[in-house]
Amino acid sequence: EVQLVESGGGLIQSGGSLRLSCAASGVTVTGNSMTWVRQSPVKGLEWVSTIHDNGRIEYTDSVKGRFTISRDSSKNTVYLQMHSLRAEDTAIYYCATYRRALDVWGQGTMVTVSS
Amino acid sequence: DIQMTQSPSTLSASVGDRAIITCRASQSISNWLAWYQQKPGRAPKLLIYQASNLESGVPLRFSGSGSGTEFTLTISSLQPDDFAAYYCLQYSTYPYTFGQGTKLEIK
Repeated sequence: EVQLVESGGGLIQSGGSLRLSCAASGVTVTGNSMTWVRQSPVKGLEWVSTIHDNGRIEYTDSVKGRFTISRDSSKNTVYLQMHSLRAEDTAIYYCATYRRALDVWGQGTMVTVSS
Repeated sequence: DIQMTQSPSTLSASVGDRAIITCRASQSISNWLAWYQQKPGRAPKLLIYQASNLESGVPLRFSGSGSGTEFTLTISSLQPDDFAAYYCLQYSTYPYTFGQGTKLEIK
């Protein structure tokens, strides 16, 4: 059974940094594409970033230059390093696997950016 | 970016009714369309992928159809557990984009 567990969220001031983690079991983060999606009442569900099994990386425009996705095969974990956080980054952040669409999701971690 | 327009935003229905939710893409996405169910406080759950493929473990009353720019999710006979929010996702082209959601509520 595939399970994803996110952590690292919290309350942070505008301009600050956070690193989110997504620990995977039942699937290898290097053998699958892994994605971060966020959800807020204002913007709804929003795709943020994907790291493909071949290492190719994609970002939504609003986070380019501020967020970095990466993975650690030894820990079977995917990360989202977030810098220069803004109020509009406030959301629940989910990680998900891509095998048949975004098929397995974690429980999410809340990020609140205060201005 | 590809815009996904989902309708209706709210659907009121009764147990046993058939529910139909539609998603329209601003340009062709072939069949790279997924449907999700989300309940309060929970992550989205995959129901349908590639427009019409039922995810393992999802009840047969759920079905998806369409290709190109027009897609539908049909729930043939609503059960109490089906009252939730539903979202479509296009994963044809980056940035992937979601519909704004449909809240399926009990009439």
